[in-house]
Amino acid sequence: ETGVTQSPTHLIKTRGQQVTLRCSSQSGHNTVSWYQQALGQGPQFIFQYYREEENGRGNFPPRFSGLQFPNYSSELNVNALELDDSALYLCASSLSKGAYEQYFGPGTRLTVT
Amino acid sequence: AQSVTQPDIHITVSEGASLELRCNYSYGATPYLFWYVQSPGQGLQLLLKYFSGDTLVQGIKGFEAEFKRSQSSFNLRKPSVHWSDAAEYFCAVATTSGTYKYIFGTGTRLKVLA
Repeated sequence: ETGVTQSPTHLIKTRGQQVTLRCSSQSGHNTVSWYQQALGQGPQFIFQYYREEENGRGNFPPRFSGLQFPNYSSELNVNALELDDSALYLCASSLSKGAYEQYFGPGTRLTVT
Repeated sequence: AQSVTQPDIHITVSEGASLELRCNYSYGATPYLFWYVQSPGQGLQLLLKYFSGDTLVQGIKGFEAEFKRSQSSFNLRKPSVHWSDAAEYFCAVATTSGTYKYIFGTGTRLKVLA
């Protein structure tokens, strides 16, 4: 059974650019959540996708958007990057939107210069 | 409001000493609680979880945690710390209404002295 994978591992972008991060969910899981972990902080919920539709959103601006594909993999897109977007972005998958347990990927480290 | 508080930002212990990391939560419904460990530059590794039943739960790497509903706490313990335990530890509660998501504490950084 393959766990949650994320790509790329590291990424460096310039302020104002756009970025796409990718996540493959664990086999059998149809729900993906994204979290942002700024340096020295705990992860914060960005949004969740269930069966290709957004199923809840945290306190993040609209320039943070996402997609989920029929195979339940997911993308996180961030437009107009700001320096404060520098963080570790974690993807987590779960069996369903009603499942209590989420399984985390290794994360993508985004640096905005 | 739903929240998780980890009162200790940094903790330093000597190798072989016992450890207790504090976690307090604020959540109206039955809490589903987790402890994760994160090494520098790495993702989150699940140490243990509490859903129901026995309030003392055992996890990996010799860790255990005790759920105390009356104190809204879920403290993590280890009887004898190893140098390899140096890392950041996060407590989290899973919300079970609306969107099921995790609310994390701000973490406790553990330093182990040889």
